[in-house]
Amino acid sequence: EAGVAQSPRYKIIEKRQSVAFWCNPISGHATLYWYQQILGQGPKLLIQFQNNGVVDDSQLPKDRFSAERLKGVDSTLKIQPAKLEDSAVYLCASSTNTGRRYEKLFFGSGTQLSVL
Amino acid sequence: SQQGEEDPQALSIQEGENATMNCSYKTSINNLQWYRQNSGRGLVHLILIRSNEREKHSGRLRVTLDTSKKSSSLLITASRAADTASYFCATDAGANSKLTFGKGITLSVRP
Repeated sequence: EAGVAQSPRYKIIEKRQSVAFWCNPISGHATLYWYQQILGQGPKLLIQFQNNGVVDDSQLPKDRFSAERLKGVDSTLKIQPAKLEDSAVYLCASSTNTGRRYEKLFFGSGTQLSVL
Repeated sequence: SQQGEEDPQALSIQEGENATMNCSYKTSINNLQWYRQNSGRGLVHLILIRSNEREKHSGRLRVTLDTSKKSSSLLITASRAADTASYFCATDAGANSKLTFGKGITLSVRP
């Protein structure tokens, strides 16, 4: 079974530039998550999709971050413009969770972003 | 905000010893999960325990949950060098089943 695919693996940009990350979840998984993990900390949920609808984006800095999940399958997360404090690993995860019974998350390897 | 807090922050043991990690949380939960993260990789799910369960086993892993104390522990028995990683507890609380992670515990197993 193929896992959660993320690209790119690494990205280095200068502050005020824009960047986009891509995620393809496990086939059939209805729920997709984007987490931000700053060095030395646990993952922080940015946005949660169920199919192509947003379930939770309460911690997404909407003035600079945006995310979409077209057709309820793959997803992109964009930052524009980037700030130094956005340097982190961006993790995508998916699950079969339908909201009625919470199941485990499957994570991709992440995109390590460095903002200079 | 992070609901779960793991303890200790770092743990170093000898191969073959047992490793015990603790997690405390603040509000009522639907379930609690433990994940492992090897350096530079994504997180891997280890075990899920629901709020009406008190203990669960999976191979060398044993998880307990005490909802009255709002705490959980993860025990890894007969540790191996390959168990060296960061371990996170994550709590699922509220109607939206939002999974919130703690800051993690760094486990080092010396050969």
